[in-house]
Amino acid sequence: GDSVTQMEGPVTLSEEAFLTINCTYTATGYPSLFWYVQYPGEGLQLLLKATKADDKGSNKGFEATYRKETTSFHLEKGSVQVSDSAVYFCALRQNTGNQFYFGTGTSLTVIP
Amino acid sequence: DTGVSQNPRHKITKRGQNVTFRCDPISEHNRLYWYRQTLGQGPEFLTYFQNEAQLEKSRLLSDRFSAERPKGSFSTLEIQRTEQGDSAMYLCASSQFGDPSPLHFGNGTRLTVT
Repeated sequence: GDSVTQMEGPVTLSEEAFLTINCTYTATGYPSLFWYVQYPGEGLQLLLKATKADDKGSNKGFEATYRKETTSFHLEKGSVQVSDSAVYFCALRQNTGNQFYFGTGTSLTVIP
Repeated sequence: DTGVSQNPRHKITKRGQNVTFRCDPISEHNRLYWYRQTLGQGPEFLTYFQNEAQLEKSRLLSDRFSAERPKGSFSTLEIQRTEQGDSAMYLCASSQFGDPSPLHFGNGTRLTVT
């Protein structure tokens, strides 16, 4: 079945460091891919999305490129801030279905 | 856009009791989802509505769980005869019709079964 695998955390970085959170997926066909972020005490929010191969989603300095050849959608940011401390979830949705499948989440802590 | 609203925020109940949660989606969204999230895990799909029709239900969902969306607006999730294993965060999300419309989540209802 469809699934998403994320790198395990927690991840701790110093401010202005480069961030990569790995995400790979297993799915038939051509799913849409998403990154959601959950800040402390808040609900999940959409961070970015990509709907087809080679699409790049971007928002708030974060980027992720849909790589069908490697079934990956890694999240990157060039210079993290303390305010980026949160849990990040990779997710997929089949265009022929209704369910979203989420990874287990990666906790990021950015220290000043 | 007032966002997805869930009530209550927290619920503590004794094992064996019934509980009901409410979700008010974004008004123009006709898709509504219930998810469950436990500590250290991602959201796990429970059920999905399109308007008032419940179109999908997780095969992992116990018969003790039931959800309704009677007028295609708000939804309720009821858990009967709660068990300690039901303790989790219950998340509601909504989206517009169309692909791939992303999910908009509420802040969740945290259930603790003692």
